[in-house]
Amino acid sequence: AQSVSQHNHHVILSEAASLELGCNYSYGGTVNLFWYVQYPGQHLQLLLKYFSGDPLVKGIKGFEAEFIKSKFSFNLRKPSVQWSDTAEYFCAVLPYGQNFVFGPGTRLSVLP
Amino acid sequence: ETGVTQSPTHLIKTRGQQVTLRCSSQSGHNTVSWYQQALGQGPQFIFQYYREEENGRGNFPPRFSGLQFPNYSSELNVNALELDDSALYLCASSSDRDAEAFFGQGTRLTVV
Repeated sequence: AQSVSQHNHHVILSEAASLELGCNYSYGGTVNLFWYVQYPGQHLQLLLKYFSGDPLVKGIKGFEAEFIKSKFSFNLRKPSVQWSDTAEYFCAVLPYGQNFVFGPGTRLSVLP
Repeated sequence: ETGVTQSPTHLIKTRGQQVTLRCSSQSGHNTVSWYQQALGQGPQFIFQYYREEENGRGNFPPRFSGLQFPNYSSELNVNALELDDSALYLCASSSDRDAEAFFGQGTRLTVV
């Protein structure tokens, strides 16, 4: 069965620190990859997605992610976090013709 | 706002009861998926409806059932509620032209 793992359960950073959240998936076929963010009390919002082409994708709010096919990874990065980035971050895989498989999430706390 | 609305926002039910959750999909979307998000976990796929037919199901028992209506809105029904059914239930809508899914804010179900 397909699975998605996220390296960290909870990450705590100070403002202006750089962020990298790890995501690995297990699926050998064609996949679409996503990062969603869930701010406290709000719905899941799409940060960015990868379907094909340039493996470095840029999303909203200064986030980017790199797809490394050989490592089955899709890590999320931001060079300088803000207090407003405090949220839960979910990596998700959409295997072709199937349904979303989400990772367990990483809680990011940014200290002012 | 995503254009996906769910009702009710919060619900408390007693073990053994039945519950119906509702979702209005974004305009132009013909596919609705339902997810269960337990506390501290990522969303787990329940099932998907495409043009009023079930189009995929996750690892959930038959007491989880659904419907999609001609206007593409959807219901999730859960019979014989158990304590472990307490979770945030998310609805996501999408179209068959784009894999991106838009999520509602969810219904928080508490079973006591």
